[in-house]
Amino acid sequence: GAVVSQHPSWVICKSGTSVKIECRSLDFQATTMFWYRQFPKQSLMLMATSNEGSKATYEQGVEKDKFLINHASLTLSTLTVTSAHPEDSSFYICSARGLADYEQYFGPGTRLTVT
Amino acid sequence: GQNIDQPTEMTATEGAIVQINCTYQTSGFNGLFWYQQHAGEAPTFLSYNVLDGLEEKGRFSSFLSRSKGYSYLLLKELQMKDSASYLCAAMDSNYQLIWGAGTKLIIKP
Repeated sequence: GAVVSQHPSWVICKSGTSVKIECRSLDFQATTMFWYRQFPKQSLMLMATSNEGSKATYEQGVEKDKFLINHASLTLSTLTVTSAHPEDSSFYICSARGLADYEQYFGPGTRLTVT
Repeated sequence: GQNIDQPTEMTATEGAIVQINCTYQTSGFNGLFWYQQHAGEAPTFLSYNVLDGLEEKGRFSSFLSRSKGYSYLLLKELQMKDSASYLCAAMDSNYQLIWGAGTKLIIKP
């Protein structure tokens, strides 16, 4: 149990375009979802925390107008990278946590390359 | 402030034992997690400690001392596939995970 999927697993886009990444909890209801970014050889960096039905809470330094997060249901959260630039190229990972749970279950990650 | 410290890199020999240490300072404490992350992949859960003491799970064990703000991950009978980064994360009073930078473990034959 406790499976989280992400789609797409990798994406290449041109500078200036927008990319949407989906994160789904397949067999449990995720009241909270987390979006992380990880650059090569660096640790996870939390970008934002989203609770179902409410606005996401962004970490300091993360532009909320650039990284749009929607958590419309208990099984789906989306991250949209708007007007992507090459410096946005990174590994984006989501995780999900249930209501009565302490553990975060991670998706497999999405590798974004902006050319 | 909140902080997690763990060594950047460690090297060990196949078949040996290695201990990865982690110290933490958080606003409140709701447990200590260890995750394994292979290059290019997402982290996978290894262990969770909230009470003092040692939790053993096969070749991996995790220890916690709340009074010292200290944890370690012990890996026995090392295998080449154990080469990975090991992430320590403490859960604060808001149930948010505070992540360490990770320890890259290199296993040599």
